[in-house]
Amino acid sequence: DAEITQSPRHKITETGRQVTLACHQTWNHNNMFWYRQDLGHGLRLIHYSYGVQDTNKGEVSDGYSVSRSNTEDLPLTLESAASSQTSVYFCASSGGSGNTIYFGEGSWLTVV
Amino acid sequence: GENVEQHPSTLSVQEGDSAVIKCTYSDSASNYFPWYKQELGKRPQLIIDIRSNVGEKKDQRIAVTLNKTAKHFSLHITETQPEDSAVYFCAASISGGFKTIFGAGTRLFVKA
Repeated sequence: DAEITQSPRHKITETGRQVTLACHQTWNHNNMFWYRQDLGHGLRLIHYSYGVQDTNKGEVSDGYSVSRSNTEDLPLTLESAASSQTSVYFCASSGGSGNTIYFGEGSWLTVV
Repeated sequence: GENVEQHPSTLSVQEGDSAVIKCTYSDSASNYFPWYKQELGKRPQLIIDIRSNVGEKKDQRIAVTLNKTAKHFSLHITETQPEDSAVYFCAASISGGFKTIFGAGTRLFVKA
């Protein structure tokens, strides 16, 4: 069955380190998204992509970057991790106009 | 850009009662409004959605209403059951499947 998977599922890192969260989908979806979830803020959009080589900033993009070199993957990089980036990160994808957005299982990141 | 506000942040009801969650959006171009349910430790999953060309949609015990003029939409759950306990998110986007902005979430408790 098609799926969207994230790795690692749990990670603890130190302030200042570079961290990359992987997202891989086998739906062959053009659209991919990264959200962070924090208590009281819901799901906030970090970056999104509508296809290969296309990336766009979301609501809370500072300190994060993404790249889209193929259809299946949208890795999220924290250039220099900060304690404020401790959060649950969800990757999501959709097939385009009128289609449902499907979420991955989430990556719990703790920055100490 | 789009802004989605959701109320209440917490809702407690007795089993069998109804629950109503309300959202407002700011961008008049938004025309697709999904609702997601997130159980503890799980990923958000779509439960129902509505497009701007309809005012109401039902699916068994859940229904959504949309008032385009007022930019309001609501989720109604009737005959609530303990398994309805979860966090519910409303969202807005253009066409669906593209950039989607979420509300802050409502934590629903259904007391047996």
